[in-house]
Amino acid sequence: AQSVTQLGSHVSVSEGALVLLRCNYSSSVPPYLFWYVQYPNQGLQLLLKYTSAATLVKGINGFEAEFKKSETSFHLTKPSAHMSDAAEYFCAVSGAAGNKLTFGGGTRVLVKP
Amino acid sequence: GAVVSQHPSWVICKSGTSVKIECRSLDFQATTMFWYRQFPKQSLMLMATSNEGSKATYEQGVEKDKFLINHASLTLSTLTVTSAHPEDSSFYICSAKGPGTTSYNEQFFGPGTRLTVL
Repeated sequence: AQSVTQLGSHVSVSEGALVLLRCNYSSSVPPYLFWYVQYPNQGLQLLLKYTSAATLVKGINGFEAEFKKSETSFHLTKPSAHMSDAAEYFCAVSGAAGNKLTFGGGTRVLVKP
Repeated sequence: GAVVSQHPSWVICKSGTSVKIECRSLDFQATTMFWYRQFPKQSLMLMATSNEGSKATYEQGVEKDKFLINHASLTLSTLTVTSAHPEDSSFYICSAKGPGTTSYNEQFFGPGTRLTVL
């Protein structure tokens, strides 16, 4: 079985501050890990993915995530938040259940001016 | 590349009627498509996996006879909500994975369809 836990359903950051979204996973096989962003009433857009090539993964819009096997974590960061980063972020894992993606509960990011 | 569309983007229907939602991969062939349901302020819940030319595989608790899925071609999957009721009101999102796209089980998502049943 595979599962994903996102710590914190809501995160509030000031514009220009560090964004840190936490994701821990469970998988019985080496996982593929993804971060997606969802804007209101829209589908999901891929931010970045871990596929075992490199533990530090850089994505779009200045986001990056680091895979830490010992901690079973894949936290998402962005050095400086922008107002346009306000959205819902989902961490997902694939691998143990074939093609399926298992999503975390999501973290809503609010950016304060 | 790897664009997925959904139609309609929103639909309002009366209780008891059926609604069909289309999911298309516009620039690649999708051997596998997925249908998700998302309630307000919640995560995505996988409803079913559809493979081109074969029957869909439904997740536990999803009614096969209520949510009919057809994946008749490599670019089109449809979800039909039969005899819709207000509790079926939700945001339905499809995604696609195909041989022409990046591997590692990456899925490309459609923009979603908002269904409201009166």
